[in-house]
Amino acid sequence: KNEVEQSPQNLTAQEGEFITINCSYSVGISALHWLQQHPGGGIVSLFMLSSGKKKHGRLIATINIQEKHSSLHITASHPRDSAVYICAVPLTYSGAGSYQLTFGKGTKLSVIP
Amino acid sequence: DSGVTQTPKHLITATGQRVTLRCSPRSGDLSVYWYQQSLDQGLQFLIQYYNGEERAKGNILERFSAQQFPDLHSELNLSSLELGDSALYFCASSAKLGTDNEQFFGPGTRLTVL
Repeated sequence: KNEVEQSPQNLTAQEGEFITINCSYSVGISALHWLQQHPGGGIVSLFMLSSGKKKHGRLIATINIQEKHSSLHITASHPRDSAVYICAVPLTYSGAGSYQLTFGKGTKLSVIP
Repeated sequence: DSGVTQTPKHLITATGQRVTLRCSPRSGDLSVYWYQQSLDQGLQFLIQYYNGEERAKGNILERFSAQQFPDLHSELNLSSLELGDSALYFCASSAKLGTDNEQFFGPGTRLTVL
């Protein structure tokens, strides 16, 4: 069982729709990362959050530490939002106060005009 | 543009060969991470350096090694290459040591082993 579970795996939406992508993890963490991977392969860090909610433009990320769950929302989706969205959490202790990121398998979003 | 650079962008080589991937972190960032992304495994952490010292090791094969130089750029060396090493290799940098700091990813190096 993957320690970081994302759902759905694939998502197709019409332009303008409200999108939600979910991420659940198995143990307590200090922070969670949301990443966006473009079709060309490049990865962009969208959010890093440890509590509550963060907003950047049409993107909103929330986290519930007690329930070990985070959501990424996209309002008024646009074809340029088409990408793979990946959540990552520092699950594995590497020693000396450092944790490794463990990644979800990603959610492939396609927004159709 | 994240400010992290990686070279080369693409690399095609044969089994048994050795390659070196290079990463320059964002100006001022001391921490460099290397990740491998293959089709069947997704993104996996390989190794982390902080200010020239190795700080954490993930699922990195013994055939792979890395270092971070005094100017903070880092190199990932892959030797005795196998077909299964074909993947995208990303480096990322952050200002501080812990994974509760935002990481900035480079554009990646796509390695194809034939």
